[in-house]
Amino acid sequence: NAGVMQNPRHLVRRRGQEARLRCSPMKGHSHVYWYRQLPEEGLKFMVYLQKENIIDESGMPKERFSAEFPKEGPSILRIQQVVRGDSAAYFCASSLGQAEKLFFGSGTQLSVL
Amino acid sequence: GESVGLHLPTLSVQEGDNSIINCAYSNSASDYFIWYKQESGKGPQFIIDIRSNMDKRQGQRVTVLLNKTVKHLSLQIAATQPGDSAVYFCAEKGTNAGKSTFGDGTTLTVKP
Repeated sequence: NAGVMQNPRHLVRRRGQEARLRCSPMKGHSHVYWYRQLPEEGLKFMVYLQKENIIDESGMPKERFSAEFPKEGPSILRIQQVVRGDSAAYFCASSLGQAEKLFFGSGTQLSVL
Repeated sequence: GESVGLHLPTLSVQEGDNSIINCAYSNSASDYFIWYKQESGKGPQFIIDIRSNMDKRQGQRVTVLLNKTVKHLSLQIAATQPGDSAVYFCAEKGTNAGKSTFGDGTTLTVKP
């Protein structure tokens, strides 16, 4: 039973380009969460989605960032016009239900040159 | 707003000793608490959880204690091993809240 799958593992972008991060939740999980982690820091919540719906996006920057979790396919975190400050590890997690524990993927390390 | 904090950013113990990692939270409505372990270059891994109707829960070599009166959570690791070296995060969920709020982490180093 595969865990949470994230790709790519590493992503390098130049300033102004777009970054697309993908996340496939664990089988049977319909709740997906995205977190950002800077070096030597904790995980900061960004967005919580259920199939086709954004439930909580209180941690998402208002501009340039968007997330989706379509009926078919992985969840996508999209960052437009990336800046150096976007460089971080982005982790996706999924859960069986809203009140259940999270299972994390291995993350995508985004580097903006 | 809610926050989750840890008392110490680093902890160094001798192999074989017991480790205790502490965590304080501020949201009285939190009713579910989880400890995660994160090794370098990897995603957080679930260790143990506890709901607010309990004050103690034990796993294999790990115990979580919850003191709701002072909003304090601790993780005890028995007979700490080199493989336990990692960053440990506590996280909390409030009632009907999907997201988990994470503390900044405690780095545990186990000396051989």
